[in-house]
Amino acid sequence: AQRVTQPEKLLSVFKGAPVELKCNYSYSGSPELFWYVQYSRQRLQLLLRHISRESIKGFTADLNKGETSFHLKKPFAQEEDSAMYYCALDNTGFQKLVFGTGTRLLVSP
Amino acid sequence: EAGVTQSPTHLIKTRGQQATLRCSPISGHTSVYWYQQALGLGLQFLLWYDEGEERNRGNFPPRFSGRQFPNYSSELNVNALELEDSALYLCASSLGQGWQPQHFGDGTRLSIL
Repeated sequence: AQRVTQPEKLLSVFKGAPVELKCNYSYSGSPELFWYVQYSRQRLQLLLRHISRESIKGFTADLNKGETSFHLKKPFAQEEDSAMYYCALDNTGFQKLVFGTGTRLLVSP
Repeated sequence: EAGVTQSPTHLIKTRGQQATLRCSPISGHTSVYWYQQALGLGLQFLLWYDEGEERNRGNFPPRFSGRQFPNYSSELNVNALELEDSALYLCASSLGQGWQPQHFGDGTRLSIL
């Protein structure tokens, strides 16, 4: 079965420090991978889609098929990055998203 | 633009009862998705409706069902409620052509007593 694992429930860093939110997946084919974010008192929203290879709000994520990982990175964290981050996989092409349990990022001043 | 709206915000039921949750998509969106987020678990895909038809279904028992109306709004029905159905139910909508990002609502929190 397809599975997305986010091993850290909480990641706490200081402003300006690098951030890496880990995501590993289990799927034998070629999945589409996403990062969703939920800021305080806001709705869940799409942050990144791996196929677009964009950098959004300074975040990037590279798909590593060998390690089946899709870690989210930012070189210098900002306080406004504090939020809940979810990694998600779509293996069917029909937007049947499989989400991880999420990692709460807390950026302290 | 108005976002995805869900009602009610909270719903309290007892075991064995039936619950109906409602979702209005963003104007122009034809696809509606339902997810369940139980405590300690990630969001789990429930159902996908597009143009009034069920397009995909997650690994949930048949007592979870739904429909999409001609105006693209949607209902999720849960019959014979069980304690483990207590969760946040999120609705999302997207444009129907090809891959489109899903836009989420605030959710309905269903509590089973």
